[in-house]
Order: sequence, then C-alpha cells, then structure tokens
Amino acid sequence: DAGITQSPRYKITETGRQVTLMCHQTWSHSYMFWYRQDLGHGLRLIYYSAAADITDKGEVPDGYVVSRSKTENFPLTLESATRSQTSVYFCASSDPSGQGSSPLHFGNGTRLTVT
Amino acid sequence: DAKTTQPPSMDCAEGRAANLPCNHSTISGNEYVYWYRQIHSQGPQYIIHGLKNNETNEMASLIITEDRKSSTLILPHATLRDTAVYYCIVRPQNSGYALNFGKGTSLLVTP
Repeated sequence: DAGITQSPRYKITETGRQVTLMCHQTWSHSYMFWYRQDLGHGLRLIYYSAAADITDKGEVPDGYVVSRSKTENFPLTLESATRSQTSVYFCASSDPSGQGSSPLHFGNGTRLTVT
Repeated sequence: DAKTTQPPSMDCAEGRAANLPCNHSTISGNEYVYWYRQIHSQGPQYIIHGLKNNETNEMASLIITEDRKSSTLILPHATLRDTAVYYCIVRPQNSGYALNFGKGTSLLVTP
C-alpha cells in the first residue's frame, strides 16, 4: 500500500539497550523527518534528511542516530536508551518540489517506553 | 522562524462552522501557512496550506488576510470526528522545510 509506515507501533525496552525505529515510505519523497512528541513539549524535530546519505540535526538530536542508505527508508536508532527518551515518535516525508509548498505526510507513530 | 499564536481551546456545536484563528505577524513573504490537526494518539494530518490567496479543499477553507499577518481555518460543518488539536504553522525556509509545531488549538465539537 502507498504511504508511510512506521514499525513497531509499540516498543518497550530497558535502559541502556539499543533500539531502532523503522520508517518506510512508498512515494519516493526525498525529504524525511523524525519527530518526538511528549506531554508539555508538543512535536519536536529530531533529525531530517534531504536525500539518501544526507542527514542533518533538528532541535533535539542528542542520543539519536539516523541513516538514509535508501530513499524510502529512514531508521532512527537510540544507541543507549534512557528513560527520558520515552515518547511517541513520528516519521514524516515530503516532496521537495515547490520547496515549502509540499505538505509533510506523517506516519501513525511508534510509542516507545524505556524502563 | 515566524511564530504563530492560537487560542488554546475552542468549542463548536456539531453542524456549525468552526472558525479557528491564527496570528503570524512576523511571517516572511515566501513562507507558507499550513494547518494540520492531530486526533488523539494519531499522526498529524495535513489539512490545507496557502501563501497569499484563500484556499479551499474537501476538508476546509483557509482565509489569509491581505497583509498575511493572520489567517482563519474554517471547517464548514463540524462533526464530532473533527474534535482534535489544530496546528497553524508558518513553514520556515530552513531545516529542510520542516514544520515547527506549537501548542495548537484544542477544538471540541459538541453534540
């Protein structure tokens, strides 16, 4: 099916473990984004990518690593999970044509709990 | 980045028009105004966007003032399923054109 999918939908992990959240889109959008959403903070940008092998930091990148070897995938890795990274994570993609005139399309999110 | 100001909450009766205001007095000439909504626990859903002209689609209408310092999102016939948090966002020209979400307006549609 066309669209943007995130996996897993729910994840529970322990402090110190590495965990990877997956994001896959079928539109061949060149831009992809990772956000986290916490109560009291709203949605905050973690990392974004303008194309395969091009990534850049957003507002809250510490503790996260991203890669973009293929246009359609943009995994987010927590190298050593901490309780403060308990959050809901959203992936989004956008077509750069027209620059700011192309909407971001969001996935349904991954709810991560770090115990 | 241009900031937006929205009322924290609004109520609307089912079947009536919901008019959600947004102020963005520092918007630059080439920055778009976007509206998204988020229904509990789901990903943000794109509604509409515009630059200078008013826009309409199957979901809503966007009215932008001539000086572009404010806008209004109109849901013409609100339903209970329109209960959500609505975000007005001015899209910056940096950070890969990422969207900066504020706190939005929590719209409650009542029977």
